[in-house]
Amino acid sequence: EPEVTQTPSHQVTQMGQEVILRCVPISNHLYFYWYRQILGQKVEFLVSFYNNEISEKSEIFDDQFSVERPDGSNFTLKIRSTKLEDSAMYFCASREGGLVGNTIYFGEGSWLTVV
Amino acid sequence: GENVEQHPSTLSVQEGDSAVIKCTYSDSASNYFPWYKQELGKRPQLIIDIRSNVGEKKDQRIAVTLNKTAKHFSLHITETQPEDSAVYFCAASRNQAGTALIFGKGTTLSVSS
Repeated sequence: EPEVTQTPSHQVTQMGQEVILRCVPISNHLYFYWYRQILGQKVEFLVSFYNNEISEKSEIFDDQFSVERPDGSNFTLKIRSTKLEDSAMYFCASREGGLVGNTIYFGEGSWLTVV
Repeated sequence: GENVEQHPSTLSVQEGDSAVIKCTYSDSASNYFPWYKQELGKRPQLIIDIRSNVGEKKDQRIAVTLNKTAKHFSLHITETQPEDSAVYFCAASRNQAGTALIFGKGTTLSVSS
């Protein structure tokens, strides 16, 4: 079964450093998402992306965050200047398209630790 | 925006018992309601979903019911097994391209044998 893949699986970074999390969505999928999950808490929506632009973003997704689809396969999340509270599991997800009823598939996640 | 409330936050049952998790949503335009199971350190995985034109859906030991008027939906797991132990999240979404899936806070289900 096709999977959403994410790298790195775990990253430790110094506060104030830039971080790029990478994702390869399922190949025929058109909609891409980033979610985050602080340890022990719920999965929170960050941003959705379609046709090379942001479709929707949450209040969490402020100017420190950006997304990009640099080529035909990768989808990246950049955090410009990390803060301690950015420590979380970041999940990339993708959906095939059509009606919203299509399943959203999640990657295994990238665990970010800011120290 | 959409807000999803989920109860209970923890649920402990004996193996073989049934478990019920309930969610309410705020956006009357939401019409897609999936349930995800998340094991420790793993990704959320879809276990069942329901659309607003359906009141109930069943898949083996798992069923989901939806009451659009009251804006609530529930997950029912029958004949629970220890491997059902996990965190379960409900979610809701509007029928619009690229729309966010908004999650509830999760229910930690523990099934003891």
